Amino acid sequence: AQTVTQSQPEMSVQEAETVTLSCTYDTSESDYYLFWYKQPPSRQMILVIRQEAYKQQNATENRFSVNFQKAAKSFSLKISDSQLGDAAMYFCAYSSNYGGSQGNLIFGKGTKLSVKP
Amino acid sequence: SAVISQKPSRDICQRGTSLTIQCQVDSQVTMMFWYRQQPGQSLTLIATANQGSEATYESGFVIDKFPISRPNLTFSTLTVSNMSPEDSSIYLCSVAVRTGGRETQYFGPGTRLLVL
Repeated sequence: AQTVTQSQPEMSVQEAETVTLSCTYDTSESDYYLFWYKQPPSRQMILVIRQEAYKQQNATENRFSVNFQKAAKSFSLKISDSQLGDAAMYFCAYSSNYGGSQGNLIFGKGTKLSVKP
Repeated sequence: SAVISQKPSRDICQRGTSLTIQCQVDSQVTMMFWYRQQPGQSLTLIATANQGSEATYESGFVIDKFPISRPNLTFSTLTVSNMSPEDSSIYLCSVAVRTGGRETQYFGPGTRLLVL
């Protein structure tokens, strides 16, 4: 079975600085998807960034980028120029790839990110 | 993307009663998922609901406790039956949407349930 581990329950960053959230996963599959979701206090789950396992290039979305290390089964999220609105719970998630379709999402326990003004 | 709404947004219920949560999406989707998020915890999949077939439940979740309906491609309901305080959680539905060859799961705003 696949598992997702987030070893940092809480992180803090100064506004405008950079922070990296860690995530490791375990799987025997060769093709899969990895995601970072953000859940602010409003509890709406928002997709931040995704990575296809077959792609060697790390995904980027504006201030958000990932460091995907497939051999090490590591998938960290870097937030640059942190903003107050980035404060939220961040969940790392895994999904199998069924011919281009996702399986269900397997989530880590989350990292609570605080942004200090 | 997809716009997903859930009703109710929150509720306080008495032990032993049942609550039905509705999930409406603004486009036709094949797969819908129901997740539970217990207080301070991560999300756990309850079941996958495909239109035209019975829902598929994950280990630890049973149809008698969490019956699901999926009458069409834009709507689903999850019922939490015979509730106990342990059922106090946020319940979220999500849908898988394919855009440009890529499939992504989007989430509804969740239903916060408190059982007394």
